[in-house]
Amino acid sequence: EVQLVESGGGLVQPGGSLRLSCSASGFRFSTYAMYWVRQAPGKGLAYVSSISPKGDSPYYADSVKGRFTISRDNSKNTLYLEMTSLRVEDTSMYYCAGQETRDDAFGIWGQGTMVTVSS
Amino acid sequence: DIQLTQSPSFLSASVGDRVTITCRASQGIHSYLAWYQQKPGKAPKLLISLASTLQSGIPSRFSGSGSGTEFTLTISSLQREDFATYYCQQLNIYPLTFGGGTKVEIK
Repeated sequence: EVQLVESGGGLVQPGGSLRLSCSASGFRFSTYAMYWVRQAPGKGLAYVSSISPKGDSPYYADSVKGRFTISRDNSKNTLYLEMTSLRVEDTSMYYCAGQETRDDAFGIWGQGTMVTVSS
Repeated sequence: DIQLTQSPSFLSASVGDRVTITCRASQGIHSYLAWYQQKPGKAPKLLISLASTLQSGIPSRFSGSGSGTEFTLTISSLQREDFATYYCQQLNIYPLTFGGGTKVEIK
């Protein structure tokens, strides 16, 4: 079964840090570009970050640039998002998603992990 | 960044209705547009890629069209399970932005 499973979310104070993980199974993880997408409560979807299949060419939304770092370990079929200097406005459900080719869009999604930034 | 404007943002319709959602891009994106369906508490689900390519397992009542800056998602005969929020996404230029969403509710 094709699957992405996120973990690592939780409650953190402003200025704090969290590391999200996304474990992949059922497909060739190393050939997929991977993404983090977030959704604030009651709001729409927002692109956060992306990384190429080989782990180079990271890209970040302006809102998280300099604070978040995306990485992957293809030997462990796992995607990561290191989040530092967290702000209240980072409170969201965080989804990981996979894209096999540009034509395929985001064909695989995880169930999401909730990050709440609050004092 | 490329802005995607969806209209309407809210739609009330009945089972069996034909529904059309529009997505306009602030600049040309060729055919690099996808449509997703999201139900409450669930992850988004890819319906259509490359503006008009229906994904495997998606009912044929869903269709997409357009290129350049204007795109549409059409549901030919709305079914109860189609009541959800729909998002467009451009995949032409980073960041890969999403539209604001269209919530389809039961009339």
